[in-house]
Amino acid sequence: AQSVTQLDSQVPVFEEAPVELRCNYSSSVSVYLFWYVQYPNQGLQLLLKYLSGSTLVKGINGFEAEFNKSQTSFHLRKPSVHISDTAEYFCAVSNTGGFKTIFGAGTRLFVKA
Amino acid sequence: DTAVSQTPKYLVTQMGNDKSIKCEQNLGHDTMYWYKQDSKKFLKIMFSYNNKELIINETVPNRFSPKSPDKAHLNLHINSLELGDSAVYFCASSQDTMNTEAFFGQGTRLTVV
Repeated sequence: AQSVTQLDSQVPVFEEAPVELRCNYSSSVSVYLFWYVQYPNQGLQLLLKYLSGSTLVKGINGFEAEFNKSQTSFHLRKPSVHISDTAEYFCAVSNTGGFKTIFGAGTRLFVKA
Repeated sequence: DTAVSQTPKYLVTQMGNDKSIKCEQNLGHDTMYWYKQDSKKFLKIMFSYNNKELIINETVPNRFSPKSPDKAHLNLHINSLELGDSAVYFCASSQDTMNTEAFFGQGTRLTVV
């Protein structure tokens, strides 16, 4: 069985500061990893995904994430955040055999002026 | 054009009623899902269909019945609504069962009073 742990429920940060949202997963098989963003009153939107290949993945809106197999982590980073990045961020994992994606509990990123 | 659309966006109803939520995707995807997001933003899969066939049925009360008339539509019918059913329900689709990326609808906020 797979599981996803997002280590921070809320992350407050000042505008233009860097941010890291942490995600750890557990799985006995190979995985695909995702970060989704949910703006208020909207559905989830894919930020980036790791399927295979380079462990550093770049996504939309200046976000990137690094897959670390030995630490079973997939942390999301952005070097300089904007007010508009305020949202809920979800880490997700699915096994390469497919069928089901498991979501973490979410991290609320709050960017302050 | 909206890729995954759900109706209605808001639904307020009394306990004991029966209600339906409709979902349509115009992406040509083979797989569709229903997720439930509770008040703490936790996202849990309920059902998944692939080419109109049920492939995932999580531990959901049998008051919830999904129906897929064709692979572009996945509706959710809920009988005898209870207060605990209040949540945001998201429909999503992906190209296949490999879960390489899911596209989400805007959500249906169900409030049972």
